Amino acid sequence: EAQVTQNPRYLITVTGKKLTVTCSQNMNHEYMSWYRQDPGLGLRQIYYSMNVEVTDKGDVPEGYKVSRKEKRNFPLILESPSPNQTSLYFCASSPDSGANVLTFGAGSRLTVL
Amino acid sequence: AQSVTQLDSQVPVFEEAPVELRCNYSSSVSVYLFWYVQYPNQGLQLLLKYLSGSTLVKGINGFEAEFNKSQTSFHLRKPSVHISDTAEYFCAVSGYSTLTFGKGTMLLVSP
Repeated sequence: EAQVTQNPRYLITVTGKKLTVTCSQNMNHEYMSWYRQDPGLGLRQIYYSMNVEVTDKGDVPEGYKVSRKEKRNFPLILESPSPNQTSLYFCASSPDSGANVLTFGAGSRLTVL
Repeated sequence: AQSVTQLDSQVPVFEEAPVELRCNYSSSVSVYLFWYVQYPNQGLQLLLKYLSGSTLVKGINGFEAEFNKSQTSFHLRKPSVHISDTAEYFCAVSGYSTLTFGKGTMLLVSP
């Protein structure tokens, strides 16, 4: 089944403890992206990648890092999480380098205490 | 730069009534427009898209949207809603490398 898989789906952590949210797609998509969803703010883009080894900042990149060493994987790294990073995170991918029809993962709900 | 404004944060309707969810956009490049739906506790899925051609676009589950370039709008409509349509709906506009979402409209369908 064609899909975007995120892990973990739920995580409670403490301020300053590094964490990684993994994202993997099995559709050979070139484009991948991370969004965070907060009540009343919709989805805001954190980082995106148009191909392997090519990443760029979205609208809210502060406090996050990403890497794209392989086409299928696009992990989101929080080096030193803070409570304002408590959010619902979505990874998404698309066949081409333009941000056209995105396939979304199921989401990762992160709570930082 | 591009932006999306969804004019209503919440739209309550009764089952079998028609509904319109409003979306206005701004973009400095060619416009690709989308509506995504998010059911409770799920990820987003594509409802419909406008890339070019006919301005009336039909999507899944009986939804349709009309692209209006002069009014920079892309309103979503359904002639008769069901309880199962209760969800959050996001309008989005695509640039070359990013997809910008509106803040969402919660459609609440009651019996």
